Amino acid sequence: DAKTTQPPSMDCAEGRAANLPCNHSTISGNEYVYWYRQIHSQGPQYIIHGLKNNETNEMASLIITEDRKSSTLILPHATLRDTAVYYCIVITQGGSEKLVFGKGTKLTVNP
Amino acid sequence: DADVTQTPRNRITKTGKRIMLECSQTKGHDRMYWYRQDPGLGLQLIYYSFDVKDINKGEISDGYSVSRQAQAKFSLSLESAIPNQTALYFCATSDFHNEQFFGPGTRLTVL
Repeated sequence: DAKTTQPPSMDCAEGRAANLPCNHSTISGNEYVYWYRQIHSQGPQYIIHGLKNNETNEMASLIITEDRKSSTLILPHATLRDTAVYYCIVITQGGSEKLVFGKGTKLTVNP
Repeated sequence: DADVTQTPRNRITKTGKRIMLECSQTKGHDRMYWYRQDPGLGLQLIYYSFDVKDINKGEISDGYSVSRQAQAKFSLSLESAIPNQTALYFCATSDFHNEQFFGPGTRLTVL
């Protein structure tokens, strides 16, 4: 069974914030939320991860709800180069568990 | 120079041929992975290795084998290629924090 649920596609206007949701209602206490993206036919790229606090880096912000059952990846000023498939993944750290890439959300940034 | 390199980048071969895809990394990571991606689909894990003496099957290991020659090198072999192994193949590395770094991919076509 999939640990995460994401919308299959979203659109965003260039320069606006892109907010990508992810539901992970069965997340356990030691599982982190990771976000990756894949630009067409390139290798996936790590974006950000978090446990329960909101996180921000040079690429994006990650907002995790207090109950940790859902999260939102925010690209503050989307550009055409942000058009990609975005994957939300729930996983523990340091163990033998592997990343499971589902179908993700295809984000299209429009001019 | 790229942190994760894959050779070849493109390969066309015939059914029944043995093929080797090679991956090298300069990240100093112990963990390495091989994934397969079919058009329009997510990534599927073929094999992974958490250190030089460790090899593990992923979701779709049938028809594939791997060799971890050194910390920096992880090769994927198709013993007898078949057309439904036509896909994009990615190598990745990580430390135990699950931030995976992907190579540029190898596009394999089996005729």
